[in-house]
Amino acid sequence: GDSVTQMEGPVTLSEEAFLTINCTYTATGYPSLFWYVQYPGEGLQLLLKATKADDKGSNKGFEATYRKETTSFHLEKGSVQVSDSAVYFCALRSNTGFQKLVFGTGTRLLVSP
Amino acid sequence: DAGVTQSPTHLIKTRGQHVTLRCSPISGHKSVSWYQQVLGQGPQFIFQYYEKEERGRGNFPDRFSARQFPNYSSELNVNALLLGDSALYLCASSLTEGSNQPQHFGDGTRLSIL
Repeated sequence: GDSVTQMEGPVTLSEEAFLTINCTYTATGYPSLFWYVQYPGEGLQLLLKATKADDKGSNKGFEATYRKETTSFHLEKGSVQVSDSAVYFCALRSNTGFQKLVFGTGTRLLVSP
Repeated sequence: DAGVTQSPTHLIKTRGQHVTLRCSPISGHKSVSWYQQVLGQGPQFIFQYYEKEERGRGNFPDRFSARQFPNYSSELNVNALLLGDSALYLCASSLTEGSNQPQHFGDGTRLSIL
């Protein structure tokens, strides 16, 4: 079945450092790919998405490119802020007609001043 | 506009009891999905409902059931609660049932089983 694998955390960075969180997936066909962010005590917020190969999703300085040849969707940001501290989830949704999202286990990001 | 609202925010139950969780989607959204997020894990899909009909079901036992009402709000019911049902239960809504529709999540109901 479909699955998503993320790098384990926590990822600890200083403010203004470069961020990469790795995500790879296994799926049949051509899934849509997502990054969600979860702040403490809150639900999930959609950060960015890509629906086909070579698409680049971007939002709030974060970006990720849908790489079908490597089945990857790595999240990057050039300069992190303390306010970016949260848990980041990579997810896929297959194009089978209903809206099941398959999530990775999440990666906690801690940014210090 | 209000986002997805869930109630209650926290709930404590004991083993063997049943529980009902509620979700109100964003105004105009007709599709509701439920997810279970165990501490330290990613959310797991439980159900999707659209126009009061079940459209998808995840790998959960029959103790889990749900329904959607004419106003598109939804309830998730869990019977014969087990310790392992302790989790954050998330509701997500979208405009229609199509797989290209973005899903908007509520803040969840945190269920603790003693």
